[in-house]
Amino acid sequence: AQSVTQLDSQVPVFEEAPVELRCNYSSSVSVYLFWYVQYPNQGLQLLLKYLSGSTLVESINGFEAEFNKSQTSFHLRKPSVHISDTAEYFCAVKGTGGFKTIFGAGTRLFVKA
Amino acid sequence: DVKVTQSSRYLVKRTGEKVFLECVQDMDHENMFWYRQDPGLGLRLIYFSYDVKMKEKGDIPEGYSVSREKKERFSLILESASTNQTSMYLCASSLSQGAGMNTEAFFGQGTRLTVV
Repeated sequence: AQSVTQLDSQVPVFEEAPVELRCNYSSSVSVYLFWYVQYPNQGLQLLLKYLSGSTLVESINGFEAEFNKSQTSFHLRKPSVHISDTAEYFCAVKGTGGFKTIFGAGTRLFVKA
Repeated sequence: DVKVTQSSRYLVKRTGEKVFLECVQDMDHENMFWYRQDPGLGLRLIYFSYDVKMKEKGDIPEGYSVSREKKERFSLILESASTNQTSMYLCASSLSQGAGMNTEAFFGQGTRLTVV
């Protein structure tokens, strides 16, 4: 079984500042890791994923996350945020041989002008 | 692009009613899922299905059932709606494990259900 802990429920930050959203997971088997984003009144959409290979993965809109196996972490970072990044972000884990994706409780990112 | 469509964005139902939430995907995905989303709790898996007529309980199946008669359609049924089932319901689909790189879930827009 897997579990996911997102360490911050809300993160307020000023526009153009850097941000880090923290995620730790636990699993007894190998995993795939994901970050999803949910804008107001919408479903979730995939932001980025780690399946194998390079531990640093990037999204098309400037986010990146690094898989750290020894720390069992998959923190999400962006060097300079925009107002439009305001959303809820979910970290998720899936066993490589399983069907289910397990989600964290979510982190609300507020970007202030 | 994958499209997952949920039949309603908003629903208001009375306590004790039988409620049907419908979900259709158009990309021939084998796996389909129903989650509920509540503030501070993230997404919790209610039921999932990995093939037509196959279903598995998730983490919180009590008070719910599902139906998958066709590959593209996965229905969530609230047998007798209660106020504690007021929530956002999200449907998702994904390819099978053999898909390798394309293993992520694709979500519908969600149905906000209020039980009064």
